[in-house]
Formats: sequence, structure tokens, C-alpha cells
Amino acid sequence: GAVVSQHPSRVICKSGTSVKIECRSLDFQATTMFWYRQFPKQSLMLMATSNEGSKATYEQGVEKDKFLINHASLTLSTLTVTSAHPEDSSFYICSARARLAVRCPFGQGTRLTVV
Amino acid sequence: GENVEQHPSTLSVQEGDSAVIKCTYSDSASNYFPWYKQELGKRPQLIIDIRSNVGEKKDQRIAVTLNKTAKHFSLHITETQPEDSAVYFCAAEASGSARQLTFGSGTQLTVLP
Repeated sequence: GAVVSQHPSRVICKSGTSVKIECRSLDFQATTMFWYRQFPKQSLMLMATSNEGSKATYEQGVEKDKFLINHASLTLSTLTVTSAHPEDSSFYICSARARLAVRCPFGQGTRLTVV
Repeated sequence: GENVEQHPSTLSVQEGDSAVIKCTYSDSASNYFPWYKQELGKRPQLIIDIRSNVGEKKDQRIAVTLNKTAKHFSLHITETQPEDSAVYFCAAEASGSARQLTFGSGTQLTVLP
């Protein structure tokens, strides 16, 4: 149980375009979802926390107008990278947790390359 | 906020030897400490976790110890195998309603055959 699925696993886009990444909890209701970014050979850095039905809370230094997060249902959160630039190229990973759950499984991650 | 420090950044051991990775945290209110294994290009996989009401937890070749007073916790892998080679991350869960995880910087473990 507690499976999180993320799509797409890889995406290549042109500079200036927008990319949407989906994160789904397959067998539980995720009241909270987290979005991380991981650069090569670095740790996971939390970008934002989203709760179903409310606005996401962004970490310091993360532009909320550039990284749009929507958590419209208890099983789906999306991250849209708007006007992507090469420096946005990274591994984006989501995780999700049910209310009162201890563990917070991760999605497969999305490798974004902006050319 | 929470700050997690992890050492060493790289660790090489001979197959069959033990490996130990250490982390310290800053928020004394943190009460959940998971460890993850991440292979290249893959998602982090939870390998063991511990809550603050327990000092030690073991699962076959993997164990975690927690010292709340000193605010540090360690991962112990015994009888290492080449397939244990990966990057390992510790994390600490923040106090508060959101309960975000703060990750350590990671340890690249290489098990030499």
C-alpha cells in the first residue's frame, strides 16, 4: 500500500515553455504533498508543501509564480514550471502523506531538461 | 528551522564489513527519523525509520540508533554487499502541523567486492 506515482518520468522542453508534472497517490488520500528538487550529487531540497484545497506553502527562495502548485483533490497534486530556463533543469520529486500517517512515500521523480 | 548534518559524504568499505553513517539534528522537538537509499536516477527508498520514543531499531542487516539527548542518530549496515552501494540520506521530521522532512546532505556508500 501507500503508492505514489509521478508523471512524466522524463521531459525535455524548450526554454520559455511550461511543463506540468503530476503526482498521484494511488491507494490512499493524500492530505499533504511535498515537492522537492534535487540537483546532481546533491540532497533533496523542499520546494513547497501543499494541502488539499488550500494554497501551497513555499520555502524561502522558491518563486511561487514560477513553480505553480495545485492540489485540487486528495489524490492529485501538480507542479507547473512556467517559462522554464536551463537552470531549472533538475530532478523533481513529490511525496505524499495521508492524514495522521507516519510515512511519506515518494513518486518516481521527473527528470526535467530545458534546452 | 530544522538543520540536519550528515557524515561522511563518501564511504568505501570492503564487502562483508560494516558501514556506519551519522547524522545530527537541531530541533529537539523532532520525533521521526527516516533513512533512505537512493540509486542513481531513482526515487529515495525508505530503508528504516525510528521514532523518538525508541533508542534502537533493527531490520536484518540494517539498524538505526537514536540519542535524543545528543540529538544524533546513526545508520548501521552489517555484512555489506555490493548491492548496498548507493547514496544514503538521513532525515528529520520537523515539529509543527506540516511535518516536513529535512534531509541530510547524503553519503555515497561504495561496497568493494
